[in-house]
Amino acid sequence: DIQMTQSPSSLSASVGDRVTITCRASQSISSYLNWYQQKPGKAPKLLIYAASSLQSGVPSRFSGSGSGTDFTLTISSLQPEDFATYYCQQSYSTPRSFGQGTKLEIK
Amino acid sequence: QVQLVQSGAEVKKPGASVKVSCKASGYTFTSYGISWVRQAPGQGLEWMGWISAYNGNTNYAQKLQGRVTMTTDTSTSTAYMELRSLRSDDTAVYYCARDNSLLDLRWFDPWGQGTLVTVSS
Repeated sequence: DIQMTQSPSSLSASVGDRVTITCRASQSISSYLNWYQQKPGKAPKLLIYAASSLQSGVPSRFSGSGSGTDFTLTISSLQPEDFATYYCQQSYSTPRSFGQGTKLEIK
Repeated sequence: QVQLVQSGAEVKKPGASVKVSCKASGYTFTSYGISWVRQAPGQGLEWMGWISAYNGNTNYAQKLQGRVTMTTDTSTSTAYMELRSLRSDDTAVYYCARDNSLLDLRWFDPWGQGTLVTVSS
């Protein structure tokens, strides 16, 4: 099974900050990497698919990059509604594993 | 709009079974698969498995093999997930999600609202 490891596990930042979250796969997964945002009590929401493709309706301040084993999610200028937990997920093989999550909190 | 609506919360005793439904609307049901993902309280996301709404093919997470069954009813555009021999560590919110694909790329969007299953004696 492919293990996905996110860093950091939690992060404090301020509105307007640029934030980067990293996801590392235990083996190469090409560009088979997705990013989701989850707010408390809500279902996850797709942000980025195929490592760098922005889902329709998602603000352009979100971007994804990487291939192989190392990936990043960047929020260029944090907005109040961006404070949430973020998960990466690989779709290279089953089981389609998720990272453990990165909780983004207000500083 | 594309929407997945799940059945309501359940409370079950250890050893019992639960069946969660996920009704799709706003798209051609048989053109996509459905994945199921669960989230234990305060924990991360765990993929449980996938079913093709086109032909019923399934792919289950190995740790749930033998306890989980995923089915679809194309006449009502509804997917079902049944989990048997429930244990306390099956307590979680269960989500269905439409399984999108482009060539070999796959992603989950949208998601249902979630169904809380509580296993307690």
